This record gives sequence, C-alpha cells and structure tokens, in this order.
Amino acid sequence: EAGVAQSPRYKIIEKRQSVAFWCNPISGHATLYWYQQILGQGPKLLIQFQNNGVVDDSQLPKDRFSAERLKGVDSTLKIQPAKLEDSAVYLCASSFLAGFNRGQETQYFGPGTRLLVL
Amino acid sequence: TQLLEQSPQFLSIQEGENLTVYCNSSSVFSSLQWYRQEPGEGPVLLVTVVTGGEVKKLKRLTFQFGDARKDSSLHITAAQPGDTGLYLCAGAETSYDKVIFGPGTSLSVIP
Repeated sequence: EAGVAQSPRYKIIEKRQSVAFWCNPISGHATLYWYQQILGQGPKLLIQFQNNGVVDDSQLPKDRFSAERLKGVDSTLKIQPAKLEDSAVYLCASSFLAGFNRGQETQYFGPGTRLLVL
Repeated sequence: TQLLEQSPQFLSIQEGENLTVYCNSSSVFSSLQWYRQEPGEGPVLLVTVVTGGEVKKLKRLTFQFGDARKDSSLHITAAQPGDTGLYLCAGAETSYDKVIFGPGTSLSVIP
C-alpha cells in the first residue's frame, strides 16, 4: 500500500515570496491533515479536511495561509506571502475513519516538506 | 488551553540500557498516543491508550496511561540504535477535540 506522498521535499524561498505544497493521501482515506512542525516542537494542526470539507482550521493563519482539497483526494497548502517564522516542516497526514474521534485514529504521515524562508 | 509536556527533552544512552520518557499534562485526556519520528520522516504511530491505568507492550516498549489520564510513560528495555528518534506524545481531551502534540523527547542510542 502506497503511503502519503508529499512534494516538494525541500523548498528555499525569500520572505514575501509565495510557495505551495502538495499532498496525496493514502487511497480511500477520507480525512486529511496539514501540520506545521517548527524545529524543536511537536506538529501543530493547521487544517483538517473531511473529504473536501473543512473540519478544523482554527489554527490556520488565514491572512497568509490557504488550503484546498477540491475533489476530496489530494490537497495543496499555500503560503502567500511567506515570513521568516514560516520556516518549518509541513507535514501532511491522512486517516481512514470519519474524523469524529480524532484522539483514537491512526494518522499516517508523509515525509514532510522542509521550508526555509530567507 | 491543552498542553502536553514531555521530559526529558534530550536523552543519549548506550545500547542495551533501559530508559523511560514521560508525557504530562494538567488536563485530563480521553486518549493518548505515542509516535516515533525518525530524521527526515513523518511520525509513525506506536500505540494508543484510552483507559486510565492501561499498560500496553510492543516488543521492548511498554506504555502506561496514568490512572487520572493526565500523564503517560514510555519505557524501553535494552535500547537499540534502531530506537533512535523523536518520541512524541499526542492526545485529545474529548472525542471531538483535535489531537495536540507534545514537543517530543529526542532519543539517541549509541552503539
């Protein structure tokens, strides 16, 4: 079974530029998550999709971050414009279940995209 | 605000030693999970505990959920270099809450 795919693996940009990340979850997984992991910290949830609908985006900085999952399969996360503090690993994860008992679901993570903003 | 703390932050031990890492909170959690994250990779789920006092074993790893469901521990027996990684605990206060992650314990097992 193929895992969660993410691209690119690495990205270096200058502040105020735009960047986009792509994620393809495990086939059949209804729930998709985007996390931000700053060095030395645990992952922080940015947004959770259930199929193509948003379940939770309470921690997404909506003035600069946006995400979509148009057909309920793959997803893109965009930052526009980027700031220095956006330097982090952006992890995508997916899970099979409905997402209503999030604490007991197995989340399958991709390898992440490492973003450096100069 | 939910908060998970983990200790120690860093741990470096020799192969064959035993170790315990801790995950603590002032909040009660309906469930706690432990993940391991290797360098350059995403976290991988090791275990989910849901009942206060619950103990689960996974080969040389023993996980315990505190009786009050505010803390958890991970004990590794006879550590091996393959155990090297970042150990993250994650929990949700209720079944409707999102999962929050602790900052992790970075473990290095030296051959």
